[in-house]
Amino acid sequence: GNSVTQMEGPVTLSEEAFLTINCTYTATGYPSLFWYVQYPGEGLQLLLKATKADDKGSNKGFEATYRKETTSFHLEKGSVQVSDSAVYFCASDTGRRALTFGSGTRLQVQP
Amino acid sequence: DTAVSQTPKYLVTQMGNDKSIKCEQNLGHDTMYWYKQDSKKFLKIMFSYNNKELIINETVPNRFSPKSPDKAHLNLHINSLELGDSAVYFCASSQVNRASKGAFFGQGTRLTVV
Repeated sequence: GNSVTQMEGPVTLSEEAFLTINCTYTATGYPSLFWYVQYPGEGLQLLLKATKADDKGSNKGFEATYRKETTSFHLEKGSVQVSDSAVYFCASDTGRRALTFGSGTRLQVQP
Repeated sequence: DTAVSQTPKYLVTQMGNDKSIKCEQNLGHDTMYWYKQDSKKFLKIMFSYNNKELIINETVPNRFSPKSPDKAHLNLHINSLELGDSAVYFCASSQVNRASKGAFFGQGTRLTVV
């Protein structure tokens, strides 16, 4: 079946540090891939997406590239801020019209 | 004008009670979902409805019963609540022929069973 694996957290960084959160997927076919963000006490918000190989999704300084050869969709940001502290979820569509989520990675950014 | 709204936001109840969570979307989407998020933040699909028809029903106790009166609403009724049902429940919606757009989520309902 489909699955998504992402690095365990928490990830603790200082402000302006470089961020990478790893995500790999297994799927039949070529799923669309997503990153969602969950701020404390809130629901999930779509951060960025990519629908086919080599697509790059980007939003709010975050980027992720759909790598078919490595089945990866790693999230990156060049300079994190305290306000980026949240839980980040990698997800793929299953073709059954529901998202499969990774386990989430908590990011803590210290001033 | 919230896109996906669910009520209540918090629900505290005793074991054995029956409770409902309501969800409404105003995005014109044809598919709605219920997800459960446990204390470790893991998200798991419970149900999915497309045009009021149940299309995904994961391994969930039959104490949980979704009801979709129309495409814009998907409610979740839970009978005989147990301690292990404590979690955050998220409603979401999407448009199936635009699945690559992803799903939109409500703010969640934190259910605490005491």
